[in-house]
Amino acid sequence: SQQGEEDPQALSIQEGENATMNCSYKTSINNLQWYRQNSGRGLVHLILIRSNEREKHSGRLRVTLDTSKKSSSLLITASRAADTASYFCATAISGGSNYKLTFGKGTLLTVNP
Amino acid sequence: NAGVTQTPKFQVLKTGQSMTLQCAQDMNHEYMSWYRQDPGMGLRLIHYSVGAGITDQGEVPNGYNVSRSTTEDFPLRLLSAAPSQTSVYFCASSYSNQGPGTGNTIYFGEGSWLTVV
Repeated sequence: SQQGEEDPQALSIQEGENATMNCSYKTSINNLQWYRQNSGRGLVHLILIRSNEREKHSGRLRVTLDTSKKSSSLLITASRAADTASYFCATAISGGSNYKLTFGKGTLLTVNP
Repeated sequence: NAGVTQTPKFQVLKTGQSMTLQCAQDMNHEYMSWYRQDPGMGLRLIHYSVGAGITDQGEVPNGYNVSRSTTEDFPLRLLSAAPSQTSVYFCASSYSNQGPGTGNTIYFGEGSWLTVV
């Protein structure tokens, strides 16, 4: 897998259900960030988790980080149709350039009303 | 604040033509960058800048030039467009010149869709 690879590639759920997306990476990181991209729009920063953190919350978002497994998950609770978007994880590689984030290919989430 | 503004939104070029994608931010951000987004590839960094007069290459700089004469503007120049440069281009900025890898939030523009025929 490449650095920052999301799983699944696509996810379709009903409104009110929870959505879980996963991100795996290969090399040690300083932090991992999640972004949302609505169709035809730019990316919007959702949440950042640092390598020494295990879990963070922001509203209906919950992010976990397991550095031993080199993986992160993004949970969206009580999903809404407006959550329909692509979600990307981006990693800042430990010892790498602080000026570069490595993005995954994204998970396309569809929330059906 | 308008945030990060990109122009044009859509552009069709012929192979060999040159053009400039404009990016401006009104947030007094030190760090600015250009990414391209291709299907199945994720976003890839083209060039970045940590302040006026300072630019550096990212992952895929070939065929592109940048300059940073002011804090606000960071144009991306395609010197001789090729079909392989057909992509969606995003400009992004961040307050700190330490870069997004240190945890600074980056703000993206709405994108510029470029087709080279």
